[in-house]
Amino acid sequence: AQKITQTQPGMFVQEKEAVTLDCTYDTSDQSYGLFWYKQPSSGEMIFLIYQGSYDEQNATEGRYSLNFQKARKSANLVISASQLGDSAMYFCAIGGYDTETSYDKVIFGPGTSLSVIP
Amino acid sequence: DAGVIQSPRHEVTEMGQEVTLRCKPISGHNSLFWYRQTMMRGLELLIYFNNNVPIDDSGMPEDRFSAKMPNASFSTLKIQPSEPRDSAVYFCASSFLGRGPLHFGNGTRLTVT
Repeated sequence: AQKITQTQPGMFVQEKEAVTLDCTYDTSDQSYGLFWYKQPSSGEMIFLIYQGSYDEQNATEGRYSLNFQKARKSANLVISASQLGDSAMYFCAIGGYDTETSYDKVIFGPGTSLSVIP
Repeated sequence: DAGVIQSPRHEVTEMGQEVTLRCKPISGHNSLFWYRQTMMRGLELLIYFNNNVPIDDSGMPEDRFSAKMPNASFSTLKIQPSEPRDSAVYFCASSFLGRGPLHFGNGTRLTVT
């Protein structure tokens, strides 16, 4: 079974500063993917970034980067130069091959609420 | 690419009524997921389909919930009878092979009074 833990229910960051959102995971799968999604107050789920378990380099997408430490089973999201529009819920998710069902499934963590302060 | 389309966007119904939520996945995607989001429980995976076949419905809360995917371009989630505790936002998402990234619809906000 897979599990995602996000230990920070809420975070504050000053505008233009960088912020790290924590994510740890547990899986027995050899091959899996880690995702981050943003959910603003309007409610939609926006895909931000993806990291495959066999990718040697940390993923980056614009101001988003994923600090992937496989041995520690962590996949922290780093947002550089925070903007007011970054205020939202952020969800970490893991997708992988479910050996019980022989198919893939994607499980989400509880989320972290980020507030960017002007 | 029209994205994942869910309908209705909002649904208000009385306890005991049947509710049907609809989803059209992205063309070419062969995995479809139904999630429920509440403040208390976060994002819960209810059921997922691969090639129109239900693979894992262990997240479906009880027998009042059922889901179908009659073809590659349409899925429904039905609640019968509905109860106030079913009030939540229901998301449908699709992907290719289920490995993500998942593409989410805008969700259906269900209120059961």
